[in-house]
Amino acid sequence: GGIITQTPKFLIGQEGQKLTLKCQQNFNHDTMYWYRQDSGKGLRLIYYSITENDLQKGDLSEGYDASREKKSSFSLTVTSAQKNEMAVFLCASSRQGGDTQYFGPGTRLLVL
Amino acid sequence: GDKVKQSPSALSLQEGTNSALRCNFSIAATTVQWFLQNPRGSLINLFYLVPGTKENGRLKSTFNSKESYSTLHIRDAQLEDSGTYFCAAGTGGYKVVFGSGTRLLVSP
Repeated sequence: GGIITQTPKFLIGQEGQKLTLKCQQNFNHDTMYWYRQDSGKGLRLIYYSITENDLQKGDLSEGYDASREKKSSFSLTVTSAQKNEMAVFLCASSRQGGDTQYFGPGTRLLVL
Repeated sequence: GDKVKQSPSALSLQEGTNSALRCNFSIAATTVQWFLQNPRGSLINLFYLVPGTKENGRLKSTFNSKESYSTLHIRDAQLEDSGTYFCAAGTGGYKVVFGSGTRLLVSP
């Protein structure tokens, strides 16, 4: 078994601010993912990483940067927060691409 | 249009009844994952399927790749089954495509 932790749980930012979200997994999984979930909607892929130091863009990568400096951690940066933006950012990992994905509890973002 | 279409979008059940949720794919899905997002927002994986059927307690899921659909059957629904069910289709690479979800409410 393992666990995925995401920090912070809640993030309140100002318009134009650069905001960083962090994700850690102890499954020893190769692949990690960042998704965005808007209220009442499905998940959209922002970035994924197939191994340490690898980055691949998802469908929603514009406005975001990501970093995978260690196998166990994957960070996401909102480069310029948009006013009134509200979403949940979910991190996931899988042993390899295409395998079962395990999710963290999410970071809830609100931009004032 | 939607690559992964889930139906129904919302469903209300009485405790103890049965129901089925469905995903239709307009992409060449080779794997399907089903998740439950509980009211606290956590996503719990229920099934990972290649073409075929899996069962776990009161849940049973089938993936038919030739006809491009997957179903999730819930038997004897319980209050704790409430939440939003998502399916996600894999096409052989690293990415999966999520449907928009089915919101399920089980009432006493």
